[in-house]
Amino acid sequence: GAGVSQSPSNKVTEKGKDVELRCDPISGHTALYWYRQSLGQGLEFLIYFQGNSAPDKSGLPSDRFSAERTGGSVSTLTIQRTQQEDSAVYLCASSLWTGSSYEQYFGPGTRLTVT
Amino acid sequence: KQEVTQIPAALSVPEGENLVLNCSFTDSAIYNLQWFRQDPGKGLTSLLLIQSSQREQTSGRLNASLDKSSGRSTLYIAASQPGDSATYLCAVSDSGGFKTIFGAGTRLFVKA
Repeated sequence: GAGVSQSPSNKVTEKGKDVELRCDPISGHTALYWYRQSLGQGLEFLIYFQGNSAPDKSGLPSDRFSAERTGGSVSTLTIQRTQQEDSAVYLCASSLWTGSSYEQYFGPGTRLTVT
Repeated sequence: KQEVTQIPAALSVPEGENLVLNCSFTDSAIYNLQWFRQDPGKGLTSLLLIQSSQREQTSGRLNASLDKSSGRSTLYIAASQPGDSATYLCAVSDSGGFKTIFGAGTRLFVKA
C-alpha cells in the first residue's frame, strides 16, 4: 500500500518568508510525527500527534514553528519568518498500534533551503 | 532528558566481515528501541524494533539486542555486503511510546 508522502520534496525560500510543509500519513495510522535533520546531524524530534490527544510540542525549537493535523490524517508544519538556521530536511513519520508497539514509518522528507 | 549516543560514528569494513554497532541511552524508562537504516538523500527504513520487555530481535542477517537496565543496544550485522553501506540510526521512545529520540548515527561503508 501507499507509504507516508511529503510535499514538496524541495523548497527554497527567502529569509523572512513563511513556509508550509505537508505530510500524508499511511491510511489508518493514528500517530504522526515530525522531525528535523540538519546537515550531517541525527534526527531532532519536533512534535507528535496521537489520535485526539493534545499534541506533544516539546521539541518545537521556537514559537515560529507550529503544526496542525486535520481530521486525524494530513498534517502541516508551518515555519514563520524563516531563518537560515531552519535549513534542514524535515521528515514525517506515522505509526499504528500493532498490539505490542508503535513502529514508525517515514516519508522521504522535504529539503528546506532558506537563502 | 534522554540522550542517545552511537559508537562508532563511522566504520569501514571489507565485505564479509561481521560487525557490531553500539547504541547507548541515558534514561532506561523507554517503551521501545528501533534501529533504522538511512541511505543518502533518502528517508528512513525500519530494520528492527525491540520492545522494552524484549532482549533481542532478529531479521535475516541482522540481530539487535537490548539491555534496558544498562541503557545499551547493539546491532549485529553478519556477513556484511556492499549493499549494507548506509547510515544506521538508533532511536528510543519514551515510556509513553511516542516521543522518540535519535542517536547521531553510524555511517557504515562495506568495501567490495
